Amino acid sequence: EAGVVQSPRYKIIEKKQPVAFWCNPISGHNTLYWYLQNLGQGPELLIRYENEEAVDDSQLPKDRFSAERLKGVDSTLKIQPAELGDSAVYLCASSRGAGNYNEQFFGPGTRLTVL
Amino acid sequence: RKEVEQDPGPFNVPEGATVAFNCTYSNSASQSFFWYRQDCRKEPKLLMSVYSSGNEDGRFTAQLNRASQYISLLIRDSKLSDSATYLCVVNVGGYNKLIFGAGTRLAVHP
Repeated sequence: EAGVVQSPRYKIIEKKQPVAFWCNPISGHNTLYWYLQNLGQGPELLIRYENEEAVDDSQLPKDRFSAERLKGVDSTLKIQPAELGDSAVYLCASSRGAGNYNEQFFGPGTRLTVL
Repeated sequence: RKEVEQDPGPFNVPEGATVAFNCTYSNSASQSFFWYRQDCRKEPKLLMSVYSSGNEDGRFTAQLNRASQYISLLIRDSKLSDSATYLCVVNVGGYNKLIFGAGTRLAVHP
């Protein structure tokens, strides 16, 4: 079974530029998560989708971040404009459902560097 | 205070050693608990879930103390391949919202 796929794996941009990350979850997984992981820290949830609906976006900085999952499968996370402090790893995860014991499987992440 | 706090590490131990990691959480309504493993520049992967009665998987033993809001992970007979960062994870609410600790780094040397 293929795992969670993310692209690109690495991205270097200058501040104020836009950037987008793509995620394809494991087939059949209805719940998709985007996390941000800073160096030396654990992942922090940005947004959670149940199918195409964003059910928890309370931690997404909406002034510059946006996300979509139009057909309830793959998802895109966008930052516009990027700031120096956005340099981090952006992880996508998926699970079969939203119940407490549904294991979350993570993709390899996109490492963003903002110069 | 952070919602999930862990020993900062790093823990440097020789092969064959026994090492224990501790974790405390602040939300008494937390419902489920996990340990994830993260290798350098890789994604986190579930190591084990932590059940109220404690559970064991080979060389790994996890314990939960709800009264003290404390979780532990014990690794016996450490292997070089155990070198990684171990993330303590708590599920708050009823919809699989995971809160991660900052992780404890383990380095096992020959």
